[in-house]
Amino acid sequence: GDSVTQMEGPVTLSEEAFLTINCTYTATGYPSLFWYVQYPGEGLQLLLKATKADDKGSNKGFEATYRKETTSFHLEKGSVQVSDSAVYFCALSDPGGFNKFYFGSGTKLNVKP
Amino acid sequence: DAGVIQSPRHEVTEMGQEVTLRCKPISGHNSLFWYRQTMMRGLELLIYFNNNVPIDDSGMPEDRFSAKMPNASFSTLKIQPSEPRDSAVYFCASSPTDPNQPQHFGDGTRLSIL
Repeated sequence: GDSVTQMEGPVTLSEEAFLTINCTYTATGYPSLFWYVQYPGEGLQLLLKATKADDKGSNKGFEATYRKETTSFHLEKGSVQVSDSAVYFCALSDPGGFNKFYFGSGTKLNVKP
Repeated sequence: DAGVIQSPRHEVTEMGQEVTLRCKPISGHNSLFWYRQTMMRGLELLIYFNNNVPIDDSGMPEDRFSAKMPNASFSTLKIQPSEPRDSAVYFCASSPTDPNQPQHFGDGTRLSIL
């Protein structure tokens, strides 16, 4: 079945460091891929998405490229800020209908000043 | 635009009591999802609806849990009787059926069963 695997956290970085959070997926069809961010006490918010192979999603300095050949959708940011501290979830949509999502287990990012 | 609205934001009750969580999806979204989030188990999909019809409730943990969607603008998740292990944050999300579109999440209900 469809699934998403994310790197284990927590990830601790200093401000202005480069961020990579790995995400790989297994899917039978051609899903869309998403990254969500969750701040403490809040719901998940869409960060970016990509709907087909080689698409790059980007938002707020974050970006991720849909790589069909490696079944990956790694999240990157060139220079993190303390305000980026949150939990990040990778997800794919089930193209079979109803827009069911499969979420990864989440990666907690801590950015230190 | 109004997002997904959940109520209450916090609920504290004693075990054995009935708990009802409420969700108003975004207007025009015809898929609705209920999730539970805990430290131990992460984010779990409990049940989802399409056009007010339950599609898959295989994630509902026990018969104590039930969910309804009487119309396109309202859904409830009920736990009866509640137990301490039901303590979690419960999220509702809605989306169009289009798999290229994201799910939109509410702020959640933080449930504590004493």
